[in-house]
Amino acid sequence: AQTVTQSQPEMSVQEAETVTLSCTYDTSENNYYLFWYKQPPSRQMILVIRQEAYKQQNATENRFSVNFQKAAKSFSLKISDSQLGDTAMYFCAPMKKGKLVFGQGTRLTINP
Amino acid sequence: DVKVTQSSRYLVKRTGEKVFLECVQDMDHENMFWYRQDPGLGLRLIYFSYDVKMKEKGDIPEGYSVSREKKERFSLILESASTNQTSMYLCASSPGQGGNTEAFFGQGTRLTVV
Repeated sequence: AQTVTQSQPEMSVQEAETVTLSCTYDTSENNYYLFWYKQPPSRQMILVIRQEAYKQQNATENRFSVNFQKAAKSFSLKISDSQLGDTAMYFCAPMKKGKLVFGQGTRLTINP
Repeated sequence: DVKVTQSSRYLVKRTGEKVFLECVQDMDHENMFWYRQDPGLGLRLIYFSYDVKMKEKGDIPEGYSVSREKKERFSLILESASTNQTSMYLCASSPGQGGNTEAFFGQGTRLTVV
């Protein structure tokens, strides 16, 4: 089975700081997609950002950006100017044959 | 907006009971999924369906079965609930086989088996 590793079970930063969540994965495919989802205390899973593996340019969505290193199979998420509403579980999820494979998650807390 | 609705947010069942978790999506998506979420393990795929009456085992199908009689509804069945099936269950749907298509999730059912 495809494995996804998020090496930081928990992180905590002050509001307005920048934080980076790490993710590594394994795959034998050359063309695939990767996603970051967040799960706030409401439990609703929300898409944060997606990256296409064949694109060299890193994806960006407002304060959220990724550092995608295909050769290293690394897909980290950077949150700039963090806000209290960013407090959530964050999951890295490559897609394989139409199915998302999830990492263990990183619990991120933004402190006022 | 896509809506994925799970029938219960919280459920308490007794060991040995047959349990049905229901999921309905309103966007005509081909794909539907059942995941189980446990602390430290993330989400693990139980079953996947890519069409009506079609199903495929995920990584942890033991002790579970599924039913998809209509496109919009995907049911997870615990034939004989056990305490190790106490968990959070998440349903999701996505449109077709496109690799860049986002999956949409329900709000989860927290199942406790006593």
